[in-house]
Amino acid sequence: GAGVSQTPSNKVTEKGKYVELRCDPISGHTALYWYRQSLGQGPEFLIYFQGTGAADDSGLPNDRFFAVRPEGSVSTLKIQRTERGDSAVYLCASSLASYNEQFFGPGTRLTVL
Amino acid sequence: GDSVTQMEGPVTLSEEAFLTINCTYTATGYPSLFWYVQYPGEGLQLLLKATKADDKGSNKGFEATYRKETTSFHLEKGSVQVSDSAVYFCALSDTPGSQGNLIFGKGTKLSVKP
Repeated sequence: GAGVSQTPSNKVTEKGKYVELRCDPISGHTALYWYRQSLGQGPEFLIYFQGTGAADDSGLPNDRFFAVRPEGSVSTLKIQRTERGDSAVYLCASSLASYNEQFFGPGTRLTVL
Repeated sequence: GDSVTQMEGPVTLSEEAFLTINCTYTATGYPSLFWYVQYPGEGLQLLLKATKADDKGSNKGFEATYRKETTSFHLEKGSVQVSDSAVYFCALSDTPGSQGNLIFGKGTKLSVKP
């Protein structure tokens, strides 16, 4: 079956621009997670959805970052006024419920020039 | 806050060598512990996990034992293969009984030569 998919796979933008990153979880998975992985580091937690609601957004670095999951399936991570320090691979994961194995997507590599 | 420290890489071994990748953690509660693997060009995959002290996780010949007294979860394999070449991440979840939000180490790159 289809795994977690993320689009685009690569995104290059200029400082100050707005970007949206999309995650399609595995069908039927109620929990969805966003992580950010900088070069040479492990993934860092950003936000977790259970269904449509953000159950924990404590990892979002500042108010330029926002994520939605309006129908409890696809999620979009939105970054306003991008900065060079936002350059990283953004990973999405989903699980059947919050206590199950997380399945990761291939990531979106964001480069802010 | 909670954190994970794993040995720096890269690690280069010959086929059939013994592998150990060290991982220690800091946590206020009783976390669940995980090893994830990222093969070249692929996404992160769960390799094994342990949810309480003295539990041993195992998969694909890899093992790790949850040691509360030393706050460690070292990854071992008796005989590595070229196909084991990948980046390995140690991780914890401090949400009891669930994966919750994972806290990862920096990763250790393993290269196995034929």
